[in-house]
Amino acid sequence: QQQVKQSPQSLIVQKGGISIINCAYENTAFDYFPWYQQFPGKGPALLIAIRPDVSEKKEGRFTISFNKSAKQFSLHIMDSQPGDSATYFCAASNRGVRETSGSRLTFGEGTQLTVNP
Amino acid sequence: NAGVMQNPRHLVRRRGQEARLRCSPMKGHSHVYWYRQLPEEGLKFMVYLQKENIIDESGMPKERFSAEFPKEGPSILRIQQVVRGDSAAYFCASSPNRANSPLHFGNGTRLTVT
Repeated sequence: QQQVKQSPQSLIVQKGGISIINCAYENTAFDYFPWYQQFPGKGPALLIAIRPDVSEKKEGRFTISFNKSAKQFSLHIMDSQPGDSATYFCAASNRGVRETSGSRLTFGEGTQLTVNP
Repeated sequence: NAGVMQNPRHLVRRRGQEARLRCSPMKGHSHVYWYRQLPEEGLKFMVYLQKENIIDESGMPKERFSAEFPKEGPSILRIQQVVRGDSAAYFCASSPNRANSPLHFGNGTRLTVT
């Protein structure tokens, strides 16, 4: 019940296109859903995050869509650029058990995005 | 403001040796998390520590692995008698003692067991 399932495993998009990555979860206690971006040889960096009280959050070219009833959320990258080529991880956490788990995150398996010029 | 610092960046150990991985959290952060990333896989939680306390070690293997976060100095992840299956990238993350605070990750230590 702690799993977060992510798809696709890899994605190739042309420059200027839209990249869409999907995640699904089972634990209804999850209440915080971030996306991380990781470049080769680097640690994951927080990209954007959403809480279940909103259905969409947009920051620049990055948008999270959240469907609480379906227990799914997705990352949309508009006008994708070659510099966006990286591995993207969705994650989830239950802030309600903060005393025992803090900000512990459960990660999806990752999506390797390649944006062709 | 320096980020999460991990060292060494790369570590090579022979089977049976010990590996010690260090993590200095961001300034002002008192919570440390260790994650392991196997090739082509996501990050798996290992342990969550606060100063001088292990809060959640449910992701740690029962044998050979230990972690500490002393009152002074960095957090240490120790792997005794390493085996080839321990080869992975080990990431440390930190957060402040504040509600709804995000995790900030270091650039990891890549352990190779030969």
